Amino acid sequence: EVQLLASGGGLVQPGGSLRLSCAASGFIFSDYAMSWVRQAPGKGLEWVSAISNTGGRTYYADFVKGRFTISRDNSNNTVYLQMNTLRGEDTAVYYCAKDLVRFSSSPDAFDFWGQGTMVTVSS
Amino acid sequence: DIQMTQSPSSLSASVGDRVTITCRASQSISSYLNWYQQKPGKAPNLLIYAASNLRSGVPSRFSGSGSGTDFTLTISSLQPEDFATYYCQQSYRTPPWTFGQGTKVEIK
Repeated sequence: EVQLLASGGGLVQPGGSLRLSCAASGFIFSDYAMSWVRQAPGKGLEWVSAISNTGGRTYYADFVKGRFTISRDNSNNTVYLQMNTLRGEDTAVYYCAKDLVRFSSSPDAFDFWGQGTMVTVSS
Repeated sequence: DIQMTQSPSSLSASVGDRVTITCRASQSISSYLNWYQQKPGKAPNLLIYAASNLRSGVPSRFSGSGSGTDFTLTISSLQPEDFATYYCQQSYRTPPWTFGQGTKVEIK
């Protein structure tokens, strides 16, 4: 059974940092691209960042470029999102999501999602 | 960036109704279109990928069609568990992977 367990969210002041983690199990982690997608309270889904199965390619939404860094540890089946210089508009539930297609360098569709971890940026 | 526009933003329907949700892309995306269902407080769930492919385990009352810029998600006979918000998402010209704003299906 595929499982994605996201953690690391919490309350942080504007300008602060957080590192989100997503521990994966139930599939060959190193075969699949992974993404982070967020959802602000009462709003729709917004893609944030993605990383290829090997970690060799990373992708970012313009609104996080230069502030967030995605990475993965294929030996520990975990993907991370380092978030720096956080802003109020970054307040959201952050989901990690697995790509549908094996060995794709970038996501095609998101077939499994973690439960989400809440990030609140406020003073 | 490719913009995805869904219509309607919300709809009210009864159990047993046929429901159609439309998604329009700001430029052609071939068939690189996926549909998700999200229930309150839960993560999204992939229903349809590549415009018309039903994900394994998803009930056959869900179907998708379209190509280019115009796509539809159809629920042939609405069931109580189908009341949720539905999102389309393109994976043609990326990054970014963009979602529609969502369509909330409510009970009439």
